Amino acid sequence: AQSVTQPDIHITVSEGASLELRCNYSYGATPYLFWYVQSPGQGLQLLLKYFSGDTLVQGIKGFEAEFKRSQSSFNLRKPSVHWSDAAEYFCAVGAPWRTPLVFGKGTRLSVIA
Amino acid sequence: DTAVSQTPKYLVTQMGNDKSIKCEQNLGHDTMYWYKQDSKKFLKIMFSYNNKELIINETVPNRFSPKSPDKAHLNLHINSLELGDSAVYFCASTGGEAYEQYFGPGTRLTVT
Repeated sequence: AQSVTQPDIHITVSEGASLELRCNYSYGATPYLFWYVQSPGQGLQLLLKYFSGDTLVQGIKGFEAEFKRSQSSFNLRKPSVHWSDAAEYFCAVGAPWRTPLVFGKGTRLSVIA
Repeated sequence: DTAVSQTPKYLVTQMGNDKSIKCEQNLGHDTMYWYKQDSKKFLKIMFSYNNKELIINETVPNRFSPKSPDKAHLNLHINSLELGDSAVYFCASTGGEAYEQYFGPGTRLTVT
């Protein structure tokens, strides 16, 4: 069965600093990996996804993530955080044929001046 | 145009009542889902429908009954609401080769 671990429940970074959110997954085959962001009181917005190919994927809002099969990781990065990035971030793993996503428990990002 | 829409956005009701949440997608997708987000923000699949047929039904009380009148709609009816049903319910859809799921804005259900 698939599973996702986000080890950090809450991270605080200064505006302009770099960011890395960790995600580890468990899945027997090549996973379909996603990062979603949820702003307070809002729905889920897809930041980026990985299915195959280049292991470094670019997403919206200046985010990128790197798939590392050997570490079963899909960490999300951003070189310079903006105050508007404060939100809850969810890593998710999927599988072929419309399989529902399995989500991690989320990482709450706070941004300070 | 909103890709995946849900109504209502907020729903406050008393224990024992019956309520419905509606979901519509205009993406032409063939698969729709209901997820529940609990008070700790944990998201978990409840149901999955493909071409109007139920394909996944996780361990959900039978007070919850999804209905899909057509591929673009997936509604969730909840009978005899309990305090523990308070959560945010998200509808999502997917289709084609992309496999990514598009989420609705959520319905915050509060049972008092």
